[in-house]
Amino acid sequence: HLLLQESGPGLVKPSETLTLTCTVSGDSVKSSSHYWAWIRQPPGKGLEWIGSVFYTGSPYYNPSLKSRVTISIDPSKNQFSLKLTSVAAGDTSVYFCARQASRITMIVAAPFQYWGQGALVTVSS
Amino acid sequence: SYVLTQPPSVSVAPGQTARITCGGNNIGTKSVHWYQQRPGQAPVVVVYDDSDRPSGIPERFSGSNSGNAATLTISRVEAGDEADYYCQLWDSNTDQGVFGGGTKLTVL
Repeated sequence: HLLLQESGPGLVKPSETLTLTCTVSGDSVKSSSHYWAWIRQPPGKGLEWIGSVFYTGSPYYNPSLKSRVTISIDPSKNQFSLKLTSVAAGDTSVYFCARQASRITMIVAAPFQYWGQGALVTVSS
Repeated sequence: SYVLTQPPSVSVAPGQTARITCGGNNIGTKSVHWYQQRPGQAPVVVVYDDSDRPSGIPERFSGSNSGNAATLTISRVEAGDEADYYCQLWDSNTDQGVFGGGTKLTVL
């Protein structure tokens, strides 16, 4: 049974770096069949894809966030993480980690099949 | 970047059919996924790759995709279907995931 759990500070000051970790149980982040992703949702608003990472290969990032985002995998802890630098009030959101479904081709295009419960991060001084 | 356009809201009476559209340039050439999100919960895939349904999703949920619009159809709508629905795809031209703005389905 696959579980994803986000963890990290719920409050970050403007201009600082937001760091979140997604702990995976029931699967390995070294899987050759899945991408792992971060998605966010500002309060009362829609979903925004942040980026997707594969155990081997370069991650894909949302161009609007690319200069500030790093997503990485830590196989020793079976986790993947999100770093977002120079945050501002507009980065206040619920942040979800997710595992994309497996498929044979274009696996990065697979739907977000499993989701964490989400973590609210507020940017405020 | 690629833009997906959804109506902000759709209302339907119980037992009727709800259709939620997702517009995009030549979207018919791309694979579209649909998510249901209830308040305070993470989204759930209800249709993937235009018209496939994950196990556990009722047959009442179906999808189609052609031309410049994809459609999520919910037949025999129930009160429990009331939620926000999002379309999503991978744009291989720009190598990015894209979500539509979401549609709130209200069951009257």
